[in-house]
Amino acid sequence: KAGVTQTPRYLIKTRGQQVTLSCSPISGHRSVSWYQQTPGQGLQFLFEYFSETQRNKGNFPGRFSGRQFSNSRSEMNVSTLELGDSALYLCASSPEGQGALRSGANVLTFGAGSRLTVL
Amino acid sequence: GQQLNQSPQSMFIQEGEDVSMNCTSSSIFNTWLWYKQDPGEGPVLLIALYKAGELTSNGRLTAQFGITRKDSFLNISASIPSDVGIYFCAGQGYSGGSNYKLTFGKGTLLTVNP
Repeated sequence: KAGVTQTPRYLIKTRGQQVTLSCSPISGHRSVSWYQQTPGQGLQFLFEYFSETQRNKGNFPGRFSGRQFSNSRSEMNVSTLELGDSALYLCASSPEGQGALRSGANVLTFGAGSRLTVL
Repeated sequence: GQQLNQSPQSMFIQEGEDVSMNCTSSSIFNTWLWYKQDPGEGPVLLIALYKAGELTSNGRLTAQFGITRKDSFLNISASIPSDVGIYFCAGQGYSGGSNYKLTFGKGTLLTVNP
C-alpha cells in the first residue's frame, strides 16, 4: 500500500507569511503526528490527531496549528512565520496512535517531509 | 515530560566495524522503536520491541528491550557505507491521565569511512 505522502516537499516563504502543509496517511491509519526537525534538535513533537481530534500537543506556540479530516488526511498551519521556523516538518501515521498498547498499533510510519525555508 | 538519553551523539567508524548505540530513560517504557533517517528523507522503522528482554534482529541489525524497561540498545555488525545516517530510538511511555505517547531520542549520527 502507498506510504505517507507529504506535500509540498520544498517551499520558501518570507517572514510574516503563513504556510499550510499537507499529509496523507497510509490507508487505514487513523492517527497522524507532526514533528519539527532542525539540525541538532532532533524530532520535536508538534501534535497528534486521531479521528479528527487533537490527542496530544507539544510545546509550540499557538502559531502552530493543525487539523485532521474525516478521511484521516491532516494539515498543519504555521502563521506569522519566523526565521526560526525553517525546518523539516515530518508527518507520521499509525494505525491507532502513539498511545495504543497493542503491538504494532503505535508504530509511526513517516513521510519524506516538507522542507520549509523562511527568508 | 519524559526524557530519553541517546548515546553516542555521533560516531565515525571504518567500514566493517561493529557499532553499538543505546537509549536510556528514568521512566518505564512499553515499546521501543529504532529508526534510521537518510539525508533529506523521513525516518524509517528498523526494529520494534514490545517485551522486556526481547532481542530482535533485522539482517545485520540487532536490538534489545532492556529488562528494566528503561533502556534499549541497537547493534550494527560489519558496517557498510550505506549504514550512514541518523539513528533514532523512540519509547512509548505513560504521559498522564490515560495517555501514552512516544518520546524520541536526539539521534546518533553515524558516519562510515569506506
